Amino acid sequence: GIQVEQSPPDLILQEGANSTLRCNFSDSVNNLQWFHQNPWGQLINLFYIPSGTKQNGRLSATTVATERYSLLYISSSQTTDSGVYFCAVERSASKIIFGSGTRLSIRP
Amino acid sequence: NAGVMQNPRHLVRRRGQEARLRCSPMKGHSHVYWYRQLPEEGLKFMVYLQKENIIDESGMPKERFSAEFPKEGPSILRIQQVVRGDSAAYFCASSPGDAEAFFGQGTRLTVV
Repeated sequence: GIQVEQSPPDLILQEGANSTLRCNFSDSVNNLQWFHQNPWGQLINLFYIPSGTKQNGRLSATTVATERYSLLYISSSQTTDSGVYFCAVERSASKIIFGSGTRLSIRP
Repeated sequence: NAGVMQNPRHLVRRRGQEARLRCSPMKGHSHVYWYRQLPEEGLKFMVYLQKENIIDESGMPKERFSAEFPKEGPSILRIQQVVRGDSAAYFCASSPGDAEAFFGQGTRLTVV
């Protein structure tokens, strides 16, 4: 099956810093999503991005499908950005596979 | 358009009892996925269903666990004769198929 690897596993930053999270996947996929799991356990959709680049406020994401990776950029970090960021991929009519996540801690 | 609804949010069961977890997908979504999450860990795939069909159950334990998604009504994840190791958060997601998936708020199962 498809392997999804996320890096780094943990990241500690000061408020205001920028960060880049990476997601590598081992085979071609139809869909790719980024989620944020907040400290209360909720899974929040950030981006649905099978390819290309999208931006939403301080967050942006880029997926290069031909090279099998996706990047999530967080600029001007805030303490509310803390939590775990998951990348998830899906092949057509198949299960959604999650990476192990990047745990982000933003210090005030 | 209401989001994915899971209930109950919290469920406490004694060892040996049955647990039933419900997931109502978003309107228009016919695909449902179930995941289990242990504390400080990632989401582990359990089962993928479309209306009335199990598409992939490769992540389901062979015994005590079952899932269904009937023509009418919510998807049900059933755990029979629960043990302490079943304690976890169980999340479901729905999608219209080959498109963006959305998650419910999860059911926290505690086995005492």
